[in-house]
Amino acid sequence: LVLTQSPATLSLSPGERATLSCRASQSVSTYLGWYQQKPGQAPRLLIYDASKRATGIPARFRGSGSGTAFTLTISSLEPEDFAVYYCQQRSSGGGAPLTFGGGTKVEIK
Amino acid sequence: QVQLQESGPGLVRPSETLSLTCTVSGGSLNNYYWSWIRQAPGKGLEWIGYISYSGTTYYNPSLERRVTISLDTSENQFSLKLSSVTAADTAVYYCARYSGTWVVFDNWGQGTLVAVSS
Repeated sequence: LVLTQSPATLSLSPGERATLSCRASQSVSTYLGWYQQKPGQAPRLLIYDASKRATGIPARFRGSGSGTAFTLTISSLEPEDFAVYYCQQRSSGGGAPLTFGGGTKVEIK
Repeated sequence: QVQLQESGPGLVRPSETLSLTCTVSGGSLNNYYWSWIRQAPGKGLEWIGYISYSGTTYYNPSLERRVTISLDTSENQFSLKLSSVTAADTAVYYCARYSGTWVVFDNWGQGTLVAVSS
């Protein structure tokens, strides 16, 4: 399973809408997660099951998609949202490898 | 809220074995999987493997021949051993709790940098 994230970098201003894409090389149903990572910090789970927000995650973060195409939308960027975002899935079959996408960096324009 | 904390040497010699421990506090090891993930400097995330609360292990095929993950339920800890290390194994190593239900890592340690150098 390969997860391809696009774009690699997104340059936006605070208040703008961010749309991040994650495509899987094979169908993964809705078993996809999104993470946010800030410099020097561990990743933080934002979204699981493609569209469910993890505990404490603001409503401006929305996940969508199923099968092979997924999207993370940040409706209105806050200063603390500028970070790198990763998607993650597991190949089908018990004990199958877990895979991360290459990441999308959301930077201040 | 469960918390995870990595510990271990920050420097390992080439060809030797990297050993790290993750201590879990605020919760039991039961009913979850416990995982190691690494991130080379400036790079993305790479899953190393995980162990179930019953002791079953699953490893990344690219690292499988060098990796061992074990569990110590009496200490609420799990450990990573990576043998025959090279400079390519230099990375921040994270321990994390893996939810088998949702197939995501829902709690992470802060990470520890391990450098491989002579």
